Amino acid sequence: NAGVTQTPKFQVLKTGQSMTLQCAQDMNHNSMYWYRQDPGMGLRLIYYSASEGTTDKGEVPNGYNVSRLNKREFSLRLESAAPSQTSVYFCASMHAGQGGGNQPQHFGDGTRLSIL
Amino acid sequence: GDSVTQMEGPVTLSEEAFLTINCTYTATGYPSLFWYVQYPGEGLQLLLKATKADDKGSNKGFEATYRKETTSFHLEKGSVQVSDSAVYFCALSDQGAGNKLTFGGGTRVLVKP
Repeated sequence: NAGVTQTPKFQVLKTGQSMTLQCAQDMNHNSMYWYRQDPGMGLRLIYYSASEGTTDKGEVPNGYNVSRLNKREFSLRLESAAPSQTSVYFCASMHAGQGGGNQPQHFGDGTRLSIL
Repeated sequence: GDSVTQMEGPVTLSEEAFLTINCTYTATGYPSLFWYVQYPGEGLQLLLKATKADDKGSNKGFEATYRKETTSFHLEKGSVQVSDSAVYFCALSDQGAGNKLTFGGGTRVLVKP
């Protein structure tokens, strides 16, 4: 029972490099989310996809792009990495039908990204 | 916009002590409220939730009551164990477009034997 799977688990980049963080869920959820976690700041929403084919900005979208490849997969891309993007990135998914705000989000184990 | 404020940690307790983590929120409308727990090196797991005023969420000995009049959702456990050492996050769902979650800053709890 995999749930939400994120790859890679760890990555070190140099400033200016690009990379894509991958996320896949096997729960047939329609909504998916990308967060970053920084010390003392909780989790902040970067982008989300309420349903397949749609994406929207969250609280901190600058410097990121996303692609909802299909219902299962939602990727996050850093086009030109900066040290300020050093963080732990979490992907989450949920089933957002009627009363969807009552449902919990399910989280992956995170990607720890360091940018030098 | 929506916001969640929770007490800063770390909170250090002895085993079998009583735990309270305060959480207050600001939101328009009627949000759902959640507590998530994060163990070292892992993602967040739902601990409990409450979807309307006066609801009590409970799980694994933890409880929290949705208090609309004080806009609070404090987490409590009567007797903590070493295995409860983790970071706890209070969050609300806006139930609007995207059902986005707004998180508090997290409270680290360390339980010593």
